[in-house]
Amino acid sequence: AQRVTQPEKLLSVFKGAPVELKCNYSYSGSPELFWYVQYSRQRLQLLLRHISRESIKGFTADLNKGETSFHLKKPFAQEEDSAMYYCALIGSKIIFGKGTRLHILP
Amino acid sequence: EPEVTQTPSHQVTQMGQEVILRCVPISNHLYFYWYRQILGQKVEFLVSFYNNEISEKSEIFDDQFSVERPDGSNFTLKIRSTKLEDSAMYFCASSQDMNTEAFFGQGTRLTVV
Repeated sequence: AQRVTQPEKLLSVFKGAPVELKCNYSYSGSPELFWYVQYSRQRLQLLLRHISRESIKGFTADLNKGETSFHLKKPFAQEEDSAMYYCALIGSKIIFGKGTRLHILP
Repeated sequence: EPEVTQTPSHQVTQMGQEVILRCVPISNHLYFYWYRQILGQKVEFLVSFYNNEISEKSEIFDDQFSVERPDGSNFTLKIRSTKLEDSAMYFCASSQDMNTEAFFGQGTRLTVV
């Protein structure tokens, strides 16, 4: 079964501290994994995709096929990072995790 | 930058009434989707649409739901007889291809009373 698991509903981190948002997936085949972000009162937007291996807004995510994980990381949190983050698996449709609300404390 | 647009932003309807949620996908995109998000819950897939037909639908997408691309630019979601539990944020999305980034609209908040 195709599934995306984000175990943390809420993550509070102090500004300047490292951030790690966890994501595990279940997929038979080669997964295409993305992170979407939703800032307050804005639409869902793509943050990054595993295939491009790029860093967006200081965030990176590495696909670990052995652990079936795609955790999102940032070394130093900023206040503007506060948002909902969704890990997503893309096949014939996008399957979202439940999302993690990241709250950056001043 | 091209965007997916949805109208209305908020719709209030009485239980049992029909509603049509409208979306204008990005013009060169070929795949269209509807998702919904009940308050406090995750974003759930409803249906995907390609080449003027439904390519996949979830078990949520029962006979009360239908989608249409009436004129080559709009992509609509119709709920025939709304129920209280249909209250949610409905997101339209489009993508150029399968397995590629989907662009989302701002959503329509549907409130069934």
